[in-house]
Amino acid sequence: AQSVTQLDSHVSVSEGTPVLLRCNYSSSYSPSLFWYVQHPNKGLQLLLKYTSAATLVKGINGFEAEFKKSETSFHLTKPSAHMSDAAEYFCVVSDNNQGGKLIFGQGTELSVKP
Amino acid sequence: NAGVMQNPRHLVRRRGQEARLRCSPMKGHSHVYWYRQLPEEGLKFMVYLQKENIIDESGMPKERFSAEFPKEGPSILRIQQVVRGDSAAYFCASSLSTGGLMNTEAFFGQGTRLTVV
Repeated sequence: AQSVTQLDSHVSVSEGTPVLLRCNYSSSYSPSLFWYVQHPNKGLQLLLKYTSAATLVKGINGFEAEFKKSETSFHLTKPSAHMSDAAEYFCVVSDNNQGGKLIFGQGTELSVKP
Repeated sequence: NAGVMQNPRHLVRRRGQEARLRCSPMKGHSHVYWYRQLPEEGLKFMVYLQKENIIDESGMPKERFSAEFPKEGPSILRIQQVVRGDSAAYFCASSLSTGGLMNTEAFFGQGTRLTVV
């Protein structure tokens, strides 16, 4: 069975400092991995995705993530946080053997202090 | 090309009533997924449908919940005899059918926030 674990339920950073949101996955297959962002009372927006191409994936708004098979990790980073980055972030794995069903982590709430 | 459209955005029901949530996928998409998000939690998969077929309903509660995706019209998630525990945000996502490619991107709607009073 596939699963994802987001290691931090809440991360707080100061504006202009780096962001690191950690995610570990478990998968029996070659996984597809995603990061989604959810702003309060909004839907989900795809930040980036890994689908067995380059291991360093660049996404929107300056975010990127690196797929590390040896560590079963897919951490999300950004060099410099903006106030507008404050939101809930979800690490997601696609169950490729079952039609693209998505399995979500519990989420990490990112706070950005001025 | 409009995105995934869900309506209503907010729905209030009294205990025992029925709730109907609608989802119109993106144009050309024939795969629809429903997810439920309880407060302070991530999204949990409920059901995966293609036109006129339920492919995977492993996340659906055994009773009171049903889903359909007819040949014409939106996908419907129906909750009968709602209880307070059904209060949640329900998200629909759609993806493009590409002849067996399983890892195409899913596009999400804005969600329907159901409150049972």
